[in-house]
Amino acid sequence: GAVVSQHPSRVICKSGTSVKIECRSLDFQATTMFWYRQFPKQSLMLMATSNEGSKATYEQGVEKDKFLINHASLTLSTLTVTSAHPEDSSFYICSAPARPLGSSYNEQFFGPGTRLTVL
Amino acid sequence: GNSVTQMEGPVTLSEEAFLTINCTYTATGYPSLFWYVQYPGEGLQLLLKATKADDKGSNKGFEATYRKETTSFHLEKGSVQVSDSAVYFCALLTGANSKLTFGKGITLSVRP
Repeated sequence: GAVVSQHPSRVICKSGTSVKIECRSLDFQATTMFWYRQFPKQSLMLMATSNEGSKATYEQGVEKDKFLINHASLTLSTLTVTSAHPEDSSFYICSAPARPLGSSYNEQFFGPGTRLTVL
Repeated sequence: GNSVTQMEGPVTLSEEAFLTINCTYTATGYPSLFWYVQYPGEGLQLLLKATKADDKGSNKGFEATYRKETTSFHLEKGSVQVSDSAVYFCALLTGANSKLTFGKGITLSVRP
């Protein structure tokens, strides 16, 4: 099946620094990737849709200058949390759609997530 | 717009008990429906799916049937195990943009 990786899996940083999270599709190409944020014991909140070769589409209420997204290639999207603060601490998950063999529908494949802790 | 409603949690069961987790949805068009599972400290894994009405998705002893008439996709398992302890998310997908709409998730704890 399609595999999505994220790096790093955990990161701890000081307030005011920027943190970059990578999302890679390992065995397929993804022109679109999705970034989610998950607070403890809550659902996934879609933050933005990352589009290869064009600007990301942000969901309402998500600060695009705070959460910079770059879809550099067909297998890599990055999320940079700029000037991070403790309230940005969260679990960030990416996903990419792919069509399993024999299926006529796309399916979302999720990365393992990145735990960000801002001190 | 699209939405997914899951029953309130958490749910605590004894091993070998019967499990039902309710999920209802509203959507434009004809959505595909999914159950995802998230084990502690991990990302989401697809548990099962159904792409059209009356389809039954099944995996690892879990089942869910796509009921268009009741707009539901309830998750069931006949005999839960301690290893099933996780958070379960119901989700739907419509259209070509592959954007998923998630329910709030429910935490299942299975005690020995």
